[in-house]
Amino acid sequence: DAKTTQPPSMDCAEGRAANLPCNHSTISGNEYVYWYRQIHSQGPQYIIHGLKNNETNEMASLIITEDRKSSTLILPHATLRDTAVYYCIVRVYNNNDMRFGAGTRLTVKP
Amino acid sequence: DGGITQSPKYLFRKEGQNVTLSCEQNLNHDAMYWYRQDPGQGLRLIYYSQIVNDFQKGDIAEGYSVSREKKESFPLTVTSAQKNPTAFYLCASSIDHRVSEKLFFGSGTQLSVL
Repeated sequence: DAKTTQPPSMDCAEGRAANLPCNHSTISGNEYVYWYRQIHSQGPQYIIHGLKNNETNEMASLIITEDRKSSTLILPHATLRDTAVYYCIVRVYNNNDMRFGAGTRLTVKP
Repeated sequence: DGGITQSPKYLFRKEGQNVTLSCEQNLNHDAMYWYRQDPGQGLRLIYYSQIVNDFQKGDIAEGYSVSREKKESFPLTVTSAQKNPTAFYLCASSIDHRVSEKLFFGSGTQLSVL
């Protein structure tokens, strides 16, 4: 299984873009990159996922490098409610076990 | 509203006791999952089920048991063999087991040992 590396913590000013990096240098061709976030004492919430191309939805954008060895989750205008732990996950093809690491604790400050 | 319901929100276990955590979903999802989360840590997979009457062990299945008799229900039993059961337990589901399908999570059960 491909593993991910994320910084343990990051800060971001309210209203600014939050850019959360993730390294997955051993990712395989059939593995997707997923992002979830977890607000304290709640279940994780799906944000976005992608395979090769950049993706955007109402919550965030996902930028995947051409070699697919890293990606960046972008929250375009961070708010205080975006303070959470953000998990970057690569999911093995045809395998149910989506594995969560320690994630990045993002703190949005006023 | 469709979703995943976990109960109870808080649960206390006495030494040597088995306890069962409930997980029900009305999303008509085929796949269901149980994760354990320790303070400041990520989630670790305990068990998962792709369809009714079928389930597989995850990374930390020892001391736990599950059943999947109905599509909408996936209860987790924490047995007395689990020596360190204090943790936050999360149930999740997905439409099916295909890699592109996202997980939907419940709000969790906090289990503590008396």
